[in-house]
Amino acid sequence: DTQMTQSPSSLSASVGDRVTITCQASQDISNYLNWYQHKPGKAPKLLIYDASNLETGVPSRFSGSGSGTDFTFTISSLQPEDIATYYCQQYANLPPSFGQGTKLEIK
Amino acid sequence: EVQLVESGGGLVQPGRSLRLSCAASGFTFGDYAMHWVRQVPGKGLEWVSGISWNSGSIDYAGSVKGRFTISRDNAKNSLYLQMNSLRVEDMALYYCAKDQYQLMIYSFDLWGQGTLVTVSS
Repeated sequence: DTQMTQSPSSLSASVGDRVTITCQASQDISNYLNWYQHKPGKAPKLLIYDASNLETGVPSRFSGSGSGTDFTFTISSLQPEDIATYYCQQYANLPPSFGQGTKLEIK
Repeated sequence: EVQLVESGGGLVQPGRSLRLSCAASGFTFGDYAMHWVRQVPGKGLEWVSGISWNSGSIDYAGSVKGRFTISRDNAKNSLYLQMNSLRVEDMALYYCAKDQYQLMIYSFDLWGQGTLVTVSS
């Protein structure tokens, strides 16, 4: 199985800060990587697909990059409504697998 | 409104069965593959099972193969998960998730809010 190692596991930042989360795959997954936002009690939401494509309706402050085994998710200017847990997920190999999540808090 | 709404969760004893349902609305349900994904409280996400648009292709995680059965009814815009021989380790919040395509590519672009399954004696 492909293991997804996400870091950090938690992050505290101020409104307006640039925030970066990384995800490393245990084997080459090309660009078959998604990023999701999950707020408590809500449905998870797809933000980035195919490593760098912004899902329709998602604010442009969210972005993703990378290919192969190393990926980065960035929020260019943190907003209060961005408080959530973020997950990466690979779908190159079966079974699909998720990172352990990054809990983002406001400082 | 485009949404998925899960139901059927609850408290069940180990070894017993439970059937989850997912009602889809706001999109052409029969055009997409569908999946179940679960999350143990406080833990990460685990893909459980998937089914293609016409039920021609079905897949399970190794941890549930032989115990869980996924199905769909496109006329009713509904997805199901029959869970038999439940174990304590199956206790989780179960999400219904829509695939981006007809065939399973395991990329989930719409999720429900989940239904909680508690397995305890």
